Amino acid sequence: QKEVEQNSGPLSVPEGAIASLNCTYSDRVSQSFFWYRQYSGKSPELIMSIYSNGDKEDGRFTAQLNKASQYVSLLIRDSQPSDSATYLCAVGGTSYGKLTFGQGTILTVHP
Amino acid sequence: DAGVTQSPTHLIKTRGQQVTLRCSPISGHKSVSWYQQVLGQGPQFIFQYYEKEERGRGNFPDRFSARQFPNYSSELNVNALLLGDSALYLCASKTTGSSYNEQFFGPGTRLTVL
Repeated sequence: QKEVEQNSGPLSVPEGAIASLNCTYSDRVSQSFFWYRQYSGKSPELIMSIYSNGDKEDGRFTAQLNKASQYVSLLIRDSQPSDSATYLCAVGGTSYGKLTFGQGTILTVHP
Repeated sequence: DAGVTQSPTHLIKTRGQQVTLRCSPISGHKSVSWYQQVLGQGPQFIFQYYEKEERGRGNFPDRFSARQFPNYSSELNVNALLLGDSALYLCASKTTGSSYNEQFFGPGTRLTVL
């Protein structure tokens, strides 16, 4: 079992729709959870962080965390073609700063 | 404020050679981590340094080594390069060594081993 798994892609949604990206993790004591966006040929860009159960909203982005189910998700409302990228789920452990990444989900928003 | 900087941007080496990659963290950040990202995969953790001490090491061979300097910049060294070392090498900085702090990535160094 992979430590961090993301829903298989690619994911294609029409412009204006809601894109839903999902991630599960295996280490029950994980404490911090992040979503990064990576455009082709570029480095990952942090878009959301979440540390406690529930929802966290920032503009068009909402991160959801359920530690009991070991599940974290990212919703993108009113998706735009500029949101087309690979989205990486990253999980922080109990010590120091190691992040464990999922394999990424490719999102395409078509006009 | 300037973000994380890395040099060089691109690098081409041949098998068996050695390479040094450099990273400067965001001003005020004392922790630097290195990641390797091969095409189509998520980044894999290599090292974390905090206050010039190694705080964590991923599942990489001893050919990989790193250090952090008093100004918190860092170098990643890879000896005896293999074709499989071809990847994007990412440096990330954060304010402290805690897992709660957000990490910010630099632009990366694209290493090609021929």
